[in-house]
Amino acid sequence: GAVVSQHPSWVICKSGTSVKIECRSLDFQATTMFWYRQFPKQSLMLMATSNEGSKATYEQGVEKDKFLINHASLTLSTLTVTSAHPEDSSFYICSARPTGPNTGELFFGEGSRLTVL
Amino acid sequence: AQSVTQLDSQVPVFEEAPVELRCNYSSSVSVYLFWYVQYPNQGLQLLLKYLSGSTLVESINGFEAEFNKSQTSFHLRKPSVHISDTAEYFCAVSSYTDKLIFGTGTRLQVFP
Repeated sequence: GAVVSQHPSWVICKSGTSVKIECRSLDFQATTMFWYRQFPKQSLMLMATSNEGSKATYEQGVEKDKFLINHASLTLSTLTVTSAHPEDSSFYICSARPTGPNTGELFFGEGSRLTVL
Repeated sequence: AQSVTQLDSQVPVFEEAPVELRCNYSSSVSVYLFWYVQYPNQGLQLLLKYLSGSTLVESINGFEAEFNKSQTSFHLRKPSVHISDTAEYFCAVSSYTDKLIFGTGTRLQVFP
């Protein structure tokens, strides 16, 4: 099946620093990738939709200057949390939609747990 | 726009008992429906999906879900659960051109 890889799976950083999380589709091309955020014991909240070669579309309430998304190729999207603060600590999950006919199905990465001290 | 409601935040059940996790959705267009499972500190794994065709869909590990358009439901069932089924289960909906929207999740806790 289609595999999506996220890196790093765990990251701890100091407040004020920036952290980059990568999302790669390993065996398929993805024109569209999605970034979700999950707080403990809660559902996944869509943060933004990332389209290859164009600007990301952010959901209401998500700060685009804080959560920078780049989708430079059909297999890679990155999320950079800039000037991270403890309240940014969360589980970030990416998903990818394969190119071709859209069946609505997404393939998810294993998630990246960010802890900001 | 679509939305998903999972009526039960937690479902405790004994091993080998049957279980049903409820999911209702709302949408003004045709939808695709999914159930995902999440084990602690892991990403999501697709359990099963309804895209079209038969309204009863099954997974390889004994779960099944039935798409009921009149009741706008997509409940997940398993006739006999195992300890290893303990996890968080998310119902999700999308349309042909829209993003995937998740319900709030149901924590299935299987006790010996």
